Amino acid sequence: AQSVAQPEDQVNVAEGNPLTVKCTYSVSGNPYLFWYVQYPNRGLQFLLKYITGDNLVKGSYGFEAEFNKSQTSFHLKKPSALVSDSALYFCAVRDLGSGTYKYIFGTGTRLKVLA
Amino acid sequence: KAGVTQTPRYLIKTRGQQVTLSCSPISGHRSVSWYQQTPGQGLQFLFEYFSETQRNKGNFPGRFSGRQFSNSRSEMNVSTLELGDSALYLCASSLAKLAVPVANTGELFFGEGSRLTVL
Repeated sequence: AQSVAQPEDQVNVAEGNPLTVKCTYSVSGNPYLFWYVQYPNRGLQFLLKYITGDNLVKGSYGFEAEFNKSQTSFHLKKPSALVSDSALYFCAVRDLGSGTYKYIFGTGTRLKVLA
Repeated sequence: KAGVTQTPRYLIKTRGQQVTLSCSPISGHRSVSWYQQTPGQGLQFLFEYFSETQRNKGNFPGRFSGRQFSNSRSEMNVSTLELGDSALYLCASSLAKLAVPVANTGELFFGEGSRLTVL
């Protein structure tokens, strides 16, 4: 069955330090992979996506993610965290092999950047 | 360009009642999908519509239904409300130019959600 796992409910990082939010997936075919961010009482906002091509994708607000097919991972990274990056982050996959192509979201990781 | 608009933003209902939530997608977006967000379950997919046709459906009981109009606006309805239906309901639209899902690589644009509380 298709699934997305975000193994950490919360990640704490000091401002200025690099951050990583982990995501692994399980799909039956090639995936389209996405990261979204949610601020309090708001909807989700798109950060970046991997469709094909270069395994390292760059997105909004200085975030980037690396697609690793052998490890079925798509970790979100940023070289230097800001307090304003504190939010809830969701990884999502669109499974092209399932026949439904619907989005599957992870349970979210709360990022807390400490000043 | 206006974003995805959801109404109402907040509502309180009692068990057994029904509720209708509305979503206006970004102009030109033909695909609309709905999600239920709860603290313990994350985002759960409800359904997806494209050009007035339901293209996908999640694992929710028949009390949850939806539809899409010719102008791409969408509504979802929950009948016979239960306490467990309390959640943030999110609508998202995407620029799905083609009816073939695999060709649609675009991201979702979310509204701010409708927060439903069932007492």
